[in-house]
Amino acid sequence: AQKVTQTQTSISVMEKTTVTMDCVYETQDSSYFLFWYKQTASGEIVFLIRQDSYKKENATVGHYSLNFQKPKSSIGLIITATQIEDSAVYFCAMREGQGGRALIFGTGTTVSVSP
Amino acid sequence: DAGVTQTPRHEVAEKGQTIILKCEPVSGHNDLFWYRQTKIQGLELLSYFRSKSLMEDGGAFKDRFKAEMLNSSFSTLKIQPTEPKDSAVYLCASRPVAETLYFGSGTRLTVL
Repeated sequence: AQKVTQTQTSISVMEKTTVTMDCVYETQDSSYFLFWYKQTASGEIVFLIRQDSYKKENATVGHYSLNFQKPKSSIGLIITATQIEDSAVYFCAMREGQGGRALIFGTGTTVSVSP
Repeated sequence: DAGVTQTPRHEVAEKGQTIILKCEPVSGHNDLFWYRQTKIQGLELLSYFRSKSLMEDGGAFKDRFKAEMLNSSFSTLKIQPTEPKDSAVYLCASRPVAETLYFGSGTRLTVL
């Protein structure tokens, strides 16, 4: 059975620093897709970045990057040069297979960025 | 393009009532999802439809929860009968095939 685990409940950082949050996953499939989503204080949930299991290079989008460690079934999210507006809940998610499967989410990590 | 639209934004129900939540996916999206969000459990999958066919449902929710896609642009989630433990935010999301999800703003349900 597939499972996504985020053990860090909350993280506090100072503005302009780097924050790293962890996510581990379980799957029997050889092909899978990993995602990070952000939920703002208003409740809006938006897609940030994704990593396909067959790609060795870590994905990067803007000031978001991933630390994909396949042997450890781990997909960490790194946010560099944090800003106040990065304060949010971050969800890790996984989808198995080539398509036609739902995303399974972790429980989320709350990030608070202070000036 | 309009995003995913969910109504109502808030719903208050008495224990034992039947409530129906509504969702309009992004036009042209083939996949539609219902999730329940709580602080403890995070986002839990309730149902997943592809082109109106049920693809997956959350095993723990079969009892009192029923999602339907009446047509490609409208879905409902019925909870019958409601219980206080159903208090949560119910999220609808859609996507083009195998791409990332677009979420609605959610319906906050309170069951007294």
